[in-house]
Amino acid sequence: EPEVTQTPSHQVTQMGQEVILRCVPISNHLYFYWYRQILGQKVEFLVSFYNNEISEKSEIFDDQFSVERPDGSNFTLKIRSTKLEDSAMYFCASARQTYTDTQYFGPGTRLTVL
Amino acid sequence: AQSVAQPEDQVNVAEGNPLTVKCTYSVSGNPYLFWYVQYPNRGLQFLLKYITGDNLVKGSYGFEAEFNKSQTSFHLKKPSALVSDSALYFCAVREPSGNTPLVFGKGTRLSVIA
Repeated sequence: EPEVTQTPSHQVTQMGQEVILRCVPISNHLYFYWYRQILGQKVEFLVSFYNNEISEKSEIFDDQFSVERPDGSNFTLKIRSTKLEDSAMYFCASARQTYTDTQYFGPGTRLTVL
Repeated sequence: AQSVAQPEDQVNVAEGNPLTVKCTYSVSGNPYLFWYVQYPNRGLQFLLKYITGDNLVKGSYGFEAEFNKSQTSFHLKKPSALVSDSALYFCAVREPSGNTPLVFGKGTRLSVIA
């Protein structure tokens, strides 16, 4: 069964450094998402992406964040200058279509900002 | 704006007994409702969804959920719990228009005791 994959599984970085989190969505999916989960809190939406552009973004997704689909398989989330409060589990998800289709989630990348 | 409430942080049930994990929602229009499960150090795994049609939805691993429009609820149920069902369960809702994101509840930890 196809799966969403994410790398790395754990990233430790210093405050102010740039990080790139990588995701490989399911191959025939067209819609891509990033969510995050701060330890002990609910899963929060960051951004959705379709046809090489952002469809929707939350208040969390400020100018420090960017997304890109650099080739036909990868989907990346970049945090330009990390803050302590960016420490969280970041989940990538993909869906074949929108509206009724299920979003399938990757295993997550745990980001720790020191 | 849509929202989801999972009123119980923790549900304990004996193996073999029926289980219920509660979820209520608030959304404009007819909701799309989802249940996901998260095992330790794993991503979110899709269990089931309600889009339209029969109010009783059957999903993976013997789980089912009943959509109740008058009570705005979508409780997750299983007739006979297994120890392996112990995990964190998330209810999510999305509006039925546009590429809207999933909005998650805070999660309910299910513990099935042998």
